[in-house]
Amino acid sequence: DIQMTQFPSSLSASVGDRVTITCRASQNMNDHLSWYQLVPGKPPRLLIYGASRLQSGVPSRFSGSGSGTDFTLTIHSLQPEDFATYCCQQTHTFPLTFGQGTTVDMK
Amino acid sequence: QVQLEESGPGVVRPSQTLSLTCTVSGASIKNGAYYWHWIRQHPGRGLEWIGYIYYTGSSHYNPSVKSLVSMSVDTSKNQFSLNLTSVTAADTAVYFCARGGPPVGRMGRLDSWGQGTLATVSS
Repeated sequence: DIQMTQFPSSLSASVGDRVTITCRASQNMNDHLSWYQLVPGKPPRLLIYGASRLQSGVPSRFSGSGSGTDFTLTIHSLQPEDFATYCCQQTHTFPLTFGQGTTVDMK
Repeated sequence: QVQLEESGPGVVRPSQTLSLTCTVSGASIKNGAYYWHWIRQHPGRGLEWIGYIYYTGSSHYNPSVKSLVSMSVDTSKNQFSLNLTSVTAADTAVYFCARGGPPVGRMGRLDSWGQGTLATVSS
């Protein structure tokens, strides 16, 4: 299985901050990576797929980069609705696997 | 706009079968561009992919649960289902259904999810 290591596991930030979350894969997976936003009681939301492709309807302050084994999700100016948990997912091979998540809370 | 909604019993006895259904609205489950997934999240832990089913009935499961899981699709009702047999407390989790593109590759994203249903295994 491809292991996805995500860090940090949590971070504190303020509205307007730039936030960066990293996901590292245990093997090369090209650009086969997605990022999701998780809020309790709401459906998980796809933000980024193909490592850098912005899902339709997602604000442009979210961006993704990377390929191979190292990937990054950036929130360029954190908004109040962005306090949530973020996780990555590899779609390179079965079984599909997820990172453990990064919780972004208010400083 | 596609919507997915999970349904099923909130509590299941140990060694019994957990059965969940996902009802899809706003899109046809027979759309061959999409695959229909189950994912779970144990309390305080990350997401775990369980498997997917295609509208034809073909499926692929995570080896971690393969011997205990089965999925089915009912195109007449626009639903798909998950059966997990011989459950233990370790199967207590929030279960999500989701729609995805071709499961592996650049487009293998899960673009629509249900909000999840908590299944508790308890006597």
